[in-house]
Amino acid sequence: GQQLNQSPQSMFIQEGEDVSMNCTSSSIFNTWLWYKQDPGEGPVLLIALYKAGELTSNGRLTAQFGITRKDSFLNISASIPSDVGIYFCAGRGSGTYKYIFGTGTRLKVLA
Amino acid sequence: EAQVTQNPRYLITVTGKKLTVTCSQNMNHEYMSWYRQDPGLGLRQIYYSMNVEVTDKGDVPEGYKVSRKEKRNFPLILESPSPNQTSLYFCASSLTGITEQFFGPGTRLTVL
Repeated sequence: GQQLNQSPQSMFIQEGEDVSMNCTSSSIFNTWLWYKQDPGEGPVLLIALYKAGELTSNGRLTAQFGITRKDSFLNISASIPSDVGIYFCAGRGSGTYKYIFGTGTRLKVLA
Repeated sequence: EAQVTQNPRYLITVTGKKLTVTCSQNMNHEYMSWYRQDPGLGLRQIYYSMNVEVTDKGDVPEGYKVSRKEKRNFPLILESPSPNQTSLYFCASSLTGITEQFFGPGTRLTVL
């Protein structure tokens, strides 16, 4: 079945640094979503991508839909302490309503 | 406020005692879904519903039932819970099956 690899699994960064994470799929996706989950809460949608090559920003967050349609990237610029949490990617292939989720990137910011 | 609500937020029960976790959305979304989240495994889909009276299995449907009698509600039923169903459960909804999904706050279930 479809698999989604998300990396890195976790990262410690200094406040003010930029962060990059990515997801790769074993098959082509039509949609990529990026979520953030705080402890004890549900995932909150950050960015949705619907077209290959699409680059979308949401404040300090920027995500891209890879041109091969098998990957997506999320960048966070000038990280701040409230960026701490787990970031998930999710992808949907063609002809299905099912989203596959990555296992998450746990981000920890050192002040 | 547009939202997905779940109840209860926390539940401790014993093996075999039937339970229902409710999910409701106020966004007039057609699509609703249930996921479970386990450490190291991420979010896995249990069941989803494209519209009223239309439901389908996700990746891990065994031991669960759902119903969609009204557009806004999508309860998750565990007829005979077992300890391996101890998990964090999320309900989600989206306008259609291909648009972004919005998640509820989660229900932490412990089956003893």
